[in-house]
Amino acid sequence: SQQGEEDPQALSIQEGENATMNCSYKTSINNLQWYRQNSGRGLVHLILIRSNEREKHSGRLRVTLDTSKKSSSLLITASRAADTASYFCATGTASKLTFGTGTRLQVTL
Amino acid sequence: DTGVSQDPRHKITKRGQNVTFRCDPISEHNRLYWYRQTLGQGPEFLTYFQNEAQLEKSRLLSDRFSAERPKGSFSTLEIQRTEQGDSAMYLCASSTHWLSSYNEQFFGPGTRLTVL
Repeated sequence: SQQGEEDPQALSIQEGENATMNCSYKTSINNLQWYRQNSGRGLVHLILIRSNEREKHSGRLRVTLDTSKKSSSLLITASRAADTASYFCATGTASKLTFGTGTRLQVTL
Repeated sequence: DTGVSQDPRHKITKRGQNVTFRCDPISEHNRLYWYRQTLGQGPEFLTYFQNEAQLEKSRLLSDRFSAERPKGSFSTLEIQRTEQGDSAMYLCASSTHWLSSYNEQFFGPGTRLTVL
């Protein structure tokens, strides 16, 4: 079963703009991760935020976590055409990850 | 290439046939996972190995599915008597116990199965 919902389901922006996608989850977590998947391919780990962290940065990525609302957001700044992909949040235990439904991001020139 | 590899990348089969997929994890990773992903959805967990021991299986893994990791290195996922509903992308991932607190997983490119 899916952990929760990502919002929006699809997002189209122009190169250079910022993209924000949100994730809600259902259960208590130790950490939350974001993955990117290019069309029809495997997933690539982007960033992990621990339950005791509120914000984390990695390059053009900024992730926030609000455990009281069971939600997280991923901000991609100064987007590029190469950022076109599906983005998934995931919560995990040692034995598995539970993914959301994903946000499909399209960055146009 | 030191990433996770999967073989084949694509498989087309007729309903009722058996298929087997292979996954080679990153060499020093002792944990291996199988996921299934259908179009427009996120990956769904199927099963998890630590070394050669299969420690967890999803209810999605019906009795037609079997996974093995005989020597704690590569793994195989077999689907018997395939059905059209088995059509999906099958993803393999691996991780190391050194990351066990956070469980960052490294994914292979997947095997896309089409059952006609």
